[in-house]
Amino acid sequence: AQSVTQPDIHITVSEGASLELRCNYSYGATPYLFWYVQSPGQGLQLLLKYFSGDTLVQGIKGFEAEFKRSQSSFNLRKPSVHWSDAAEYFCAVGDSGTYKYIFGTGTRLKVLA
Amino acid sequence: GAVVSQHPSRVICKSGTSVKIECRSLDFQATTMFWYRQFPKQSLMLMATSNEGSKATYEQGVEKDKFLINHASLTLSTLTVTSAHPEDSSFYICSARTRDRESGYTFGSGTRLTVV
Repeated sequence: AQSVTQPDIHITVSEGASLELRCNYSYGATPYLFWYVQSPGQGLQLLLKYFSGDTLVQGIKGFEAEFKRSQSSFNLRKPSVHWSDAAEYFCAVGDSGTYKYIFGTGTRLKVLA
Repeated sequence: GAVVSQHPSRVICKSGTSVKIECRSLDFQATTMFWYRQFPKQSLMLMATSNEGSKATYEQGVEKDKFLINHASLTLSTLTVTSAHPEDSSFYICSARTRDRESGYTFGSGTRLTVV
């Protein structure tokens, strides 16, 4: 069965520090992979996506993610976190046939000044 | 880029009444729209998939008679929560798929429903 796991429920980092949010998936074929960010009470904003090609994907707001097939991972990274990055981050797997998404449980990021 | 407008953003209703939530694609035609429900501090759970001009497909465990979905045009899908109860209080989010597969999905800003 398809699944997405985000092992870290909460992460706290200091402003200016680097960030890595983990995402592992289980999927039968090459998945479509996404990272979304959600501010409190808001909808989701797409940070970046991977469909094929270069396994290192650049997104908005200085985020990047790397697809590692051997590890079934798609971790999100940012070299220097800003206070405005505090939010909930969701990893998602998209089914290429049904176009349905499966979301991870999310990681809440807190940024210390 | 593709924009999805969802409203209302917040609604409070009395138990037993019905509430309609609208999701509109503003600058593209949405062949498929998805409705999600998000409980506090939890992930998004897909409720149903609506395709323009046909009946919605509901996920297992979702009551189709309680959550009525209509996708009458390529730019509008509605979710009606009928005979709402306090346990229906949640955050509901729609997303739309464009004809371009690799564009991913665009999400609405969500609707916070509180049933009192």
